Amino acid sequence: KNQVEQSPQSLIILEGKNCTLQCNYTVSPFSNLRWYKQDTGRGPVSLTIMTFSENTKSNGRYTATLDADTKQSSLHITASQLSDSASYICVVSASGYSSASKIIFGSGTRLSIRP
Amino acid sequence: DSGVTQTPKHLITATGQRVTLRCSPRSGDLSVYWYQQSLDQGLQFLIQYYNGEERAKGNILERFSAQQFPDLHSELNLSSLELGDSALYFCASSVTRLAKAGEQFFGPGTRLTVL
Repeated sequence: KNQVEQSPQSLIILEGKNCTLQCNYTVSPFSNLRWYKQDTGRGPVSLTIMTFSENTKSNGRYTATLDADTKQSSLHITASQLSDSASYICVVSASGYSSASKIIFGSGTRLSIRP
Repeated sequence: DSGVTQTPKHLITATGQRVTLRCSPRSGDLSVYWYQQSLDQGLQFLIQYYNGEERAKGNILERFSAQQFPDLHSELNLSSLELGDSALYFCASSVTRLAKAGEQFFGPGTRLTVL
């Protein structure tokens, strides 16, 4: 069964600190993986997308890593800011003939940044 | 701003009623997707349309239906509403019918409250 599991479920850190969010998936065959940021009550916004051959992708203070062998991804946030408070969603899609039903969403990690 | 618009932003109605949610995709996007997000839950895929035709179905209840019109906007119809239908409903769009993770752009959502 295709699944995407994220950890931790929630995380609280102080402003300026770094943090790492985890995503484990069992989606097969793997096509790509994206991290979304979702502010409360808003639509998700894409942060990074990674294909099978990519190990690391950065977007400002956000750095995503992918280990296709262990089927794990991480999102590292550097020098956190109050505006980073949001839910971070890992999304994995299966390759081949694909439709939206092959896009698997994780349940997200809720990150809270404290001043 | 993703370019995807959804109306209304908020909707409050009573059990047993019927409502219609509207989505306009980004200019040039042919695929529209509907997602449901209940409180503190992950995004659940409901249904996808591509260029006016149903493309994929997810966990959509029989009380729910959708369509995509010739101008590519889409409507999600929810009938015989129950308290448990209270949720955020997101629309997303993409250019192609094969929506890999990351090619989808999400709208701001419609918050439905059923009393």
